[in-house]
Amino acid sequence: YILTQPPSVSVAPGQTARITCGANNIGSKSVYWYQRRPGQAPVLLIHHDSARPSGIPERFSGSNSGNTATVTISRVEAADEADYYCQVWDSNNDHPVFGGGTKVTVL
Amino acid sequence: QVQLVQSGGEVKKPGASVKISCKASGYSFSQYGLTWVRQAPGQGLEWMGWISGYNDNTNYAQSLQGRVTMTKDTSTDTAYMELRSLRSDDTAIYFCARSLLYYFDSWGQGTLITVSS
Repeated sequence: YILTQPPSVSVAPGQTARITCGANNIGSKSVYWYQRRPGQAPVLLIHHDSARPSGIPERFSGSNSGNTATVTISRVEAADEADYYCQVWDSNNDHPVFGGGTKVTVL
Repeated sequence: QVQLVQSGGEVKKPGASVKISCKASGYSFSQYGLTWVRQAPGQGLEWMGWISGYNDNTNYAQSLQGRVTMTKDTSTDTAYMELRSLRSDDTAIYFCARSLLYYFDSWGQGTLITVSS
């Protein structure tokens, strides 16, 4: 099961960034998103398509339908510059699968 | 709060083995599995495998079968990942992460393993 993410997204501060994760019928699976800032460990950003763990700002939101899952970052800040990874559970092979990651650059 | 603290980085020669530790605190160790994920330079996240917090059940990535072993010590709430027959393409940052069935809610700080002659 392959998850496809754009390699990079550039966005100006205060604008909205959308990061997609594409796969066949991904809407039928739960999607998880992680943020990895340079030199830091990944942080769980979104679970079960759209739920935010405590401590994650409301500026981060998720959706999932059809063949595309999306994480949206509203009012982008410099601190949002990071790599973002989507992940699903491949139930056929009983292991997680990660997307290739999207580097978000804040202009 | 949940904390996973990993052992420090190491430099290894090709063919050697490495064993990384991941000490957990802030939660009941036996209630959650631990997953290992690595990231090679310029690459994405790669799942390596999982060990149950409750028993010794493991599930390894097919690409690493035969070279990786995951264990734990419940007396010290510490998990271990051993990788053998190291190659240059094993150079990566290795992470442990607490498993919530299908995803990972807390991660260790990462351990850089460099394989070089």
